[in-house]
Parts: sequence; structure tokens; C-alpha cells
Amino acid sequence: GAGVSQSPSNKVTEKGKDVELRCDPISGHTALYWYRQSLGQGLEFLIYFQGNSAPDKSGLPSDRFSAERTGGSVSTLTIQRTQQEDSAVYLCASSPEQGDQPQHFGDGTRLSIL
Amino acid sequence: QKEVEQNSGPLSVPEGAIASLNCTYSDRGSQSFFWYRQYSGKSPELIMFIYSNGDKEDGRFTAQLNKASQYVSLLIRDSQPSDSATYLCAVRTGGSYIPTFGRGTSLIVHP
Repeated sequence: GAGVSQSPSNKVTEKGKDVELRCDPISGHTALYWYRQSLGQGLEFLIYFQGNSAPDKSGLPSDRFSAERTGGSVSTLTIQRTQQEDSAVYLCASSPEQGDQPQHFGDGTRLSIL
Repeated sequence: QKEVEQNSGPLSVPEGAIASLNCTYSDRGSQSFFWYRQYSGKSPELIMFIYSNGDKEDGRFTAQLNKASQYVSLLIRDSQPSDSATYLCAVRTGGSYIPTFGRGTSLIVHP
């Protein structure tokens, strides 16, 4: 597609439920990133994919968070047993592997935990 | 620990003025520098990137990089109310694919 696509755009769920957030990167981009941004805060790095592998998952805040990427394209971020502090905007970005190219962000998923 | 520092602002400038946004970084190995604009409730949008010392111009925007002093600036000429947003600086070290983001500077351009 023309840009990074994320779905859903908004998600409201009850505490304790599991959620899945999806990211479809720009075609041909091998690098994919997940970030979290709480209201009025900066970007918090979660995980980085190069192809299907995740060389850096150091930002995942707990073992309730996991992510996978299949076929070197679409990625899914899963949050199990959601807590209220998980409420934030989850942003996905992608970039080409070659060279030192900038990231391009999707519109994000606004997650609200009741 | 890699650090990227930005003044949170808000920086308030009148319409038509030059807005100057600054960013300092701690890692001398940094090689790539990016500026993003983020409107309230929206995702970051790439404005410019710069790799070499000096100035890079794109329309009303100029990025300035000084590696010796470890700062990168973004100048916005003829500022417009539509430029009101938070501007994020991101810095990437050579060999790393993961940039470090500053917390952003809020810019307000008033008519």
C-alpha cells in the first residue's frame, strides 16, 4: 500500500481481556517497529523486526506483550490480560533495510482499557 | 545511555516569523538525524532528515547539523498557524536501526 496501515484505529476493551493490534508496513520495507505513546508523553520503543525476526525486543514492558511478523510483512502486537496502564496509542513504523532511511509511521491504534 | 534532549516548550512565535527548534544528543557515534511533526491526536510525520554537517533546505524548512557540538536544529521560515504542532527529533547511531526520539518541542504559531 501507499503507507503504513494499522488496525483497528480504536479499540476499547475490558481489563483482563487480550487484544491484537495489526500493522501492514509499506510494501518492500523490511524493517518494522512498534512504539507506544501515552497521552502527552514521548514515543516508547517496544520492538523492532528485520524481516520475520526480532533482533531487539528490549522495549516490551512485560511478558504480557508479544509480537510476531509473518512473511516479512504484516505484524501483530498482542497484549494479554490487559491492564489500565496499557491504555495508550500504539504506533507502527516501517523503513527500508538498505541505507539509512527514515521511518514512516502509521496512524496508530488508540487502545482504551476500561 | 543514548539521550536526545529537546526543550518541551511551548515555543510561541508570531505568524511570518522564523521558528527555531533545537535538539542535542549525547552519542558521538550518531550518524542520522530526523525531524518529525506530530499534530495533536495524530501520528508523527517525517519532515526532514540530514546526515552531513551543514544545512539542508526543503521549502520553508531547513535542518542544520553540527556534529562537533552535537546538536541538530530545524528552522521554519514564514511560520504559519498550520505549523503549530509538536516537533520530534530522532537520532540514529551508525550500525543501529533503532533511532532514539526526543520528547518533542511544542510549537505555537499565533496569527
